[in-house]
Amino acid sequence: DGGITQSPKYLFRKEGQNVTLSCEQNLNHDAMYWYRQDPGQGLRLIYYSQIVNDFQKGDIAEGYSVSREKKESFPLTVTSAQKNPTAFYLCASSMGTGEKLFFGSGTQLSVL
Amino acid sequence: AQKITQTQPGMFVQEKEAVTLDCTYDTSDPSYGLFWYKQPSSGEMIFLIYQGSYDQQNATEGRYSLNFQKARKSANLVISASQLGDSAMYFCAMRERYSGGYQKVTFGTGTKLQVIP
Repeated sequence: DGGITQSPKYLFRKEGQNVTLSCEQNLNHDAMYWYRQDPGQGLRLIYYSQIVNDFQKGDIAEGYSVSREKKESFPLTVTSAQKNPTAFYLCASSMGTGEKLFFGSGTQLSVL
Repeated sequence: AQKITQTQPGMFVQEKEAVTLDCTYDTSDPSYGLFWYKQPSSGEMIFLIYQGSYDQQNATEGRYSLNFQKARKSANLVISASQLGDSAMYFCAMRERYSGGYQKVTFGTGTKLQVIP
């Protein structure tokens, strides 16, 4: 079945540590996105990518980094510079940027 | 300024009744798109309905319809015949273009709908 796989489902970060959230899709979609969701809040765009080896900052990119070396993969690294990383992170993809988004099941990141 | 505004943090509706969830937007892009997504407590995001800015007819998908009032920049979601399974967070989202040909999708803060038996 085609879809988007996010892993892990739960992740814990120690102070000063970088952690990487995985996002893989087999939908052959060009565009991929990372959103952050805080409790009771909407989704805020962190980074998005239209094609391989290209990505753009979203509204809250500080403290995060991404790469897009393969069409299928768009990992998100939460760096130690992100002082408040506890949130639910959602990865999404679409055929083109701005088309209907297909979402993964999310990763809950917490700080120890 | 907020791109997408959902002014109802929470709503209650009686089972089998219709409910309208409000959404207003702001954009200078003439070719934009509007989406509604449902997020149950499990956290997954479920696509419900889409309306393009040039679409003449209001979008409908089963029990979901989008009341699109372009001049008022309003894109309200109407759920007819509410069911208990409709209890969830509902998000309005907008696609717009930026310089360089990039497009991005921005979400509102959501409305929590609770269906009462």
